[in-house]
Amino acid sequence: AQTVTQSQPEMSVQEAETVTLSCTYDTSESDYYLFWYKQPPSRQMILVIRQEAYKQQNATENRFSVNFQKAAKSFSLKISDSQLGDAAMYFCAYRTLLNTGTASKLTFGTGTRLQVTL
Amino acid sequence: KAGVTQTPRYLIKTRGQQVTLSCSPISGHRSVSWYQQTPGQGLQFLFEYFSETQRNKGNFPGRFSGRQFSNSRSEMNVSTLELGDSALYLCASSLLYRGATGNTIYFGEGSWLTVV
Repeated sequence: AQTVTQSQPEMSVQEAETVTLSCTYDTSESDYYLFWYKQPPSRQMILVIRQEAYKQQNATENRFSVNFQKAAKSFSLKISDSQLGDAAMYFCAYRTLLNTGTASKLTFGTGTRLQVTL
Repeated sequence: KAGVTQTPRYLIKTRGQQVTLSCSPISGHRSVSWYQQTPGQGLQFLFEYFSETQRNKGNFPGRFSGRQFSNSRSEMNVSTLELGDSALYLCASSLLYRGATGNTIYFGEGSWLTVV
């Protein structure tokens, strides 16, 4: 079974600064997807960024980028130019690469609460 | 395009009662999955449905059940409610085909269940 570990329960960053959230995972599979989801106080899970394990290039989405180290099973999220609206709980999640008959279960980490200060 | 819609958003039930939560996936999505989120246990997978068939089930007692209709809408039911069932229940949908888009899971806003 796959496991996802987020070792930072809380992080704080000043507005306009950069912060990196850590995530490690354990799997015996070679192909899979990794995601970062953001959960603001409204509690809706919002997709931030996704990474296909078979792609060596790190994914980027505007101010959000990842550092994907497949051999180390590490998947960190970097938020640049932090904004007050980035304050939320961030979850790292793993999903098996979809093949016929494969279910779409996500395995989540425990989350990192990000505070953004002025 | 409308997102994943869950109803009701908030509800309070008494121990021993049962509850039904509803989820309408994104148009065209045929896979629907359910998650329970609590402060103590975090996010836990309940079950997943595809084409009206349950394809995967998490480690929850039989009091938790679900179904999917031909239009991909899904319901989950919890019978004989216990205090520990108080949680945010999240529904998610996916296209379910190979590729990044097909493998991405999108969530609804959740249904807050309080058992008293």
